[in-house]
Amino acid sequence: EAGVVQSPRYKIIEKKQPVAFWCNPISGHNTLYWYLQNLGQGPELLIRYENEEAVDDSQLPKDRFSAERLKGVDSTLKIQPAELGDSAVYLCASSPTSGGAGYETQYFGPGTRLLVL
Amino acid sequence: GNSVTQMEGPVTLSEEAFLTINCTYTATGYPSLFWYVQYPGEGLQLLLKATKADDKGSNKGFEATYRKETTSFHLEKGSVQVSDSAVYFCALIIQGAQKLVFGQGTRLTINP
Repeated sequence: EAGVVQSPRYKIIEKKQPVAFWCNPISGHNTLYWYLQNLGQGPELLIRYENEEAVDDSQLPKDRFSAERLKGVDSTLKIQPAELGDSAVYLCASSPTSGGAGYETQYFGPGTRLLVL
Repeated sequence: GNSVTQMEGPVTLSEEAFLTINCTYTATGYPSLFWYVQYPGEGLQLLLKATKADDKGSNKGFEATYRKETTSFHLEKGSVQVSDSAVYFCALIIQGAQKLVFGQGTRLTINP
């Protein structure tokens, strides 16, 4: 079974430029998460989707960050404009349908490492 | 609020040594508890979990017991290998919610 796929794996951009990250969850997983992992820290949730609906985006800085999951499968996270402090690893995860067996286990992709210069 | 506190690293051990990585939590509800591992260059992988008090999660020789009375979920392994070198994250999720709350991670290095 294929795992969570993310691209790109690495991205270097100048500050004030836009950047986008893509995630394809495990097939059949309706719940998708985006996490931010700063150096030396644990991941922190940015946004959670149930199918197409963003059900928890309370931690997403909406002035510069946006996300979409138009068809309830893959998702894109965008930053515009990027700031120096956005340098971090952006992780995508997915889990089976809420309420089903094993729904609490989240499966993570390899992440996108962003460096803003 | 909900939070997880882990033993600060880095931790360096010799091969075959006994490992303990401490983890304590605070939670407003009744959490499920997890240990995730991040090998160099890879994503987070679930190592083990426990969903109720006194449950013991185990995998790959690692164990952790859900201790409600001490709000702890310490990770242990009897004999570590060089291949266990990684960053280990303790995490919780409140049952009924789906937001994982992570500790800061503990970097483990095993020397041959």
